[in-house]
Amino acid sequence: EPEVTQTPSHQVTQMGQEVILRCVPISNHLYFYWYRQILGQKVEFLVSFYNNEISEKSEIFDDQFSVERPDGSNFTLKIRSTKLEDSAMYFCASGGTSGPQDTQYFGPGTRLTVL
Amino acid sequence: AQKVTQAQTEISVVEKEDVTLDCVYETRDTTYYLFWYKQPPSGELVFLIRRNSFDEQNEISGRYSWNFQKSTSSFNFTITASQVVDSAVYFCALHFMDTGRRALTFGSGTRLQVQP
Repeated sequence: EPEVTQTPSHQVTQMGQEVILRCVPISNHLYFYWYRQILGQKVEFLVSFYNNEISEKSEIFDDQFSVERPDGSNFTLKIRSTKLEDSAMYFCASGGTSGPQDTQYFGPGTRLTVL
Repeated sequence: AQKVTQAQTEISVVEKEDVTLDCVYETRDTTYYLFWYKQPPSGELVFLIRRNSFDEQNEISGRYSWNFQKSTSSFNFTITASQVVDSAVYFCALHFMDTGRRALTFGSGTRLQVQP
């Protein structure tokens, strides 16, 4: 069964450093998302991406964040200058081919620890 | 306001007991989709079910069943004859469609502990 994959599973970085989190969505999906979950809290939406552009972003997704689909398979989230409060689990999700109403399937997550 | 509430923070049951996880929501949207996801201790988010706001038929899948009641804005999830492997955090989520939003709005989750 097709699945969303994410690398790395765990990333440790120093405050102020740039990190890139990588995702490979399900191959025929067209809608891509990033969410984050601070430890023990709810899952929060960051950004959605369709047709090579951002279609929606939350207040969390400020200028420190960017997303890119550099080729036909990868979908990346970049945090330019990490802060302690960016420590969280970051989930990539991909939706289907019909529209944003399609079910979002989540990857296993990348745990980001900012020291 | 668009909001998803899971009032039960943690539930503990003994194996083979039935358990119901509550989810209520607030919206003025007429079109929305409702979801349940499971987050086992390993951390991933596993899709369980998707329903749309126009379909109030209850659904059963094995030991899992879902009761959607638009009149009370609730989408509750029942596990029959719970098992230790059901231990996880369960999230209810909604996709509010009227304004063209893409985001899922999650509840705060209910941690289910099934004791042997």
